[in-house]
Amino acid sequence: LAKTTQPISMDSYEGQEVNITCSHNNIATNDYITWYQQFPSQGPRFIIQGYKTKVTNEVASLFIPADRKSSTLSLPRVSLSDTAVYYCLVGDATGRRALTFGSGTRLQVQP
Amino acid sequence: NAGVMQNPRHLVRRRGQEARLRCSPMKGHSHVYWYRQLPEEGLKFMVYLQKENIIDESGMPKERFSAEFPKEGPSILRIQQVVRGDSAAYFCASSPNRGGVKNIQYFGAGTRLSVL
Repeated sequence: LAKTTQPISMDSYEGQEVNITCSHNNIATNDYITWYQQFPSQGPRFIIQGYKTKVTNEVASLFIPADRKSSTLSLPRVSLSDTAVYYCLVGDATGRRALTFGSGTRLQVQP
Repeated sequence: NAGVMQNPRHLVRRRGQEARLRCSPMKGHSHVYWYRQLPEEGLKFMVYLQKENIIDESGMPKERFSAEFPKEGPSILRIQQVVRGDSAAYFCASSPNRGGVKNIQYFGAGTRLSVL
């Protein structure tokens, strides 16, 4: 399974853009990169998924360089409600392998 | 379309008792995953099931833990003879497909098990 490395914690202020980078040096050809968000006492929630280049949805953008050994989750103009733990996962989209959660990045947004 | 439903939300058991955790996947989803989360830690995969089949149980302890996903009814994670170390949040997730793009998992709110 591809191991991921991401910062333990990050601090930001409301209205700023937050970029969280995840390293996955041994990503496999079939692996997709997926980010989840988890609030206290809740289950993780899917944010975004990508394979290469850039993916954007109404919540975030995901940047993946050509070598795919890292990815960056970009949250535009964060608010207090974006305070959560963000997990980067690398997994086989065919479903033959379970996804592995690391320790995640704890984002604290301050006023 | 209701989300993944887990019950109970909180479960208190004494050492040696059995804990049964239930998970109803989203409508149309035939794949269920169970994870365990200790405080301040990430989720640890336990088991992956498809209807009536265990696909991957590599993360589940060999003793006292079992899981099933019958043809009818919810998926059940069963912990026999619970010990204090079993205290954790247990999350269930479901996904609509095994193959193809976007094996996205949708999570329930979890069951918090406390062993006294």
